[in-house]
Amino acid sequence: NAGVTQTPKFRILKIGQSMTLQCTQDMNHNYMYWYRQDPGMGLKLIYYSVGAGITDKGEVPNGYNVSRSTTEDFPLRLELAAPSQTSVYFCASTQGQGRMNTEAFFGQGTRLTVV
Amino acid sequence: KNEVEQSPQNLTAQEGEFITINCSYSVGISALHWLQQHPGGGIVSLFMLSSGKKKHGRLIATINIQEKHSSLHITASHPRDSAVYICAVRSTGTASKLTFGTGTRLQVTL
Repeated sequence: NAGVTQTPKFRILKIGQSMTLQCTQDMNHNYMYWYRQDPGMGLKLIYYSVGAGITDKGEVPNGYNVSRSTTEDFPLRLELAAPSQTSVYFCASTQGQGRMNTEAFFGQGTRLTVV
Repeated sequence: KNEVEQSPQNLTAQEGEFITINCSYSVGISALHWLQQHPGGGIVSLFMLSSGKKKHGRLIATINIQEKHSSLHITASHPRDSAVYICAVRSTGTASKLTFGTGTRLQVTL
C-alpha cells in the first residue's frame, strides 16, 4: 500500500492563479481531510469528507473547494490564489469511528507560496 | 479556548531524560491520536487511543477519558526524538473530525 499520496510537494503561484492539490489513498478509507498548517500554529481543517459524494466545510474553507467523486481521491482546488493561502497543506485519511476507528495517515504535505 | 490544549509548547531535554507531554481536550471523543512531525514536515501516527495505555518501544501513551486528558511519555530520550509532537482528537457524533493541538516542540540534546 502506498498510503496517502499528495502532489505536488512544492508550488509557487501568482496572485489570482488557480491550482488543484491532488490527494489519493489506497486504504479504502471513508474519511478524508484537508488541513493547512501555518508557522507556529496547529493544523486547521479546511474541508473533510466522510465518503464518496459527501463533503463538508471545516474551520477555514473560504477560498477553497473540494470534491469526492471516488473513495480514493479528494482533490483541493484553489480558484483565485491569495497571499493568505501561503501555507503547508496536508491531506489525511482514516477509516471511521467506533470499532472502525483507525490511525490517521497523512500525505507528505504541499508547501504552497502565493506571490 | 481551543478544544485541544497541549503542554508544554516547547521542551528541551538532555539525552536519557524521561519526557512527558500533556494533552487536554474539552469535547467528547471517540479516539485520541498522538502524531510526530519531523523537520521537513512529514506527519506520522504514533498512537491511537480510546482508553487505557499503549506502548511502542520507548514511547508510552495514556488516556483518562473521565478527566479528558492524555499523556505521551518518552523513556530514555535520544536526539533522534527531536520533533514536534501533536495531539489530535476525533470528536463523537456524525461530524467526525480530527481537531489538533498546536504541538509540543521537543529538542533532545547530547
